[in-house]
Amino acid sequence: QQQVRQSPQSLTVWEGETAILNCSYENSAFDYFPWYQQFPGEGPALLISILSVSNKKEDGRFTIFFNKREKKLSLHIADSQPGDSATYFCAANTGGADRLTFGKGTQLIIQP
Amino acid sequence: GPKVLQIPSHQIIDMGQMVTLNCDPVSNHLYFYWYKQILGQQMEFLVNFYNGKVMEKSKLFKDQFSVERPDGSYFTLKIQPTALEDSAVYFCASSLWGYNYAEQFFGPGTRLTVL
Repeated sequence: QQQVRQSPQSLTVWEGETAILNCSYENSAFDYFPWYQQFPGEGPALLISILSVSNKKEDGRFTIFFNKREKKLSLHIADSQPGDSATYFCAANTGGADRLTFGKGTQLIIQP
Repeated sequence: GPKVLQIPSHQIIDMGQMVTLNCDPVSNHLYFYWYKQILGQQMEFLVNFYNGKVMEKSKLFKDQFSVERPDGSYFTLKIQPTALEDSAVYFCASSLWGYNYAEQFFGPGTRLTVL
């Protein structure tokens, strides 16, 4: 049973465009939703996160839109750059030291 | 930023042997985690650890698995004996605290191949 789902599995956009990565979840108790960015050979690194009390979180070119009713969220990467090419993981937990539940990831390729 | 280190980066062993995966967490962090990722699948939680004790473990954390962190040393995941299905990338993570919404910092992973 996959509690966090991501789509698409892979995405290619042109440099300068906005990349949209989707995530949905099943557990209503999830409260904290971090997005991790992972480059080959490295561990995942926190990119941006949102709490379920918010419907939007911005950090520079990165924005999370969150819909609690539909249990969906999306990561928008504006003005995408070739250096943004990486795998992006949506994750969730109930807060505190709780385990993170991950999606399978979206492999993003930015074409110059 | 803060770094979690993992040693070794790759490990190849024969089925039935023992293996120890080492993690050097961020220095002032108190909570430690192991996650497992099979190629093409999502990262899955194995266990978390605080104050010398396992706090929670998943069904993937088999009886053959154990974790410990002797004072001031590595946080280790030991598998004894190993099985073919243990082949995966194992990620260690650490966080500073266990309340509110603490960021988990991840290491680069150890790729374990069991032959």
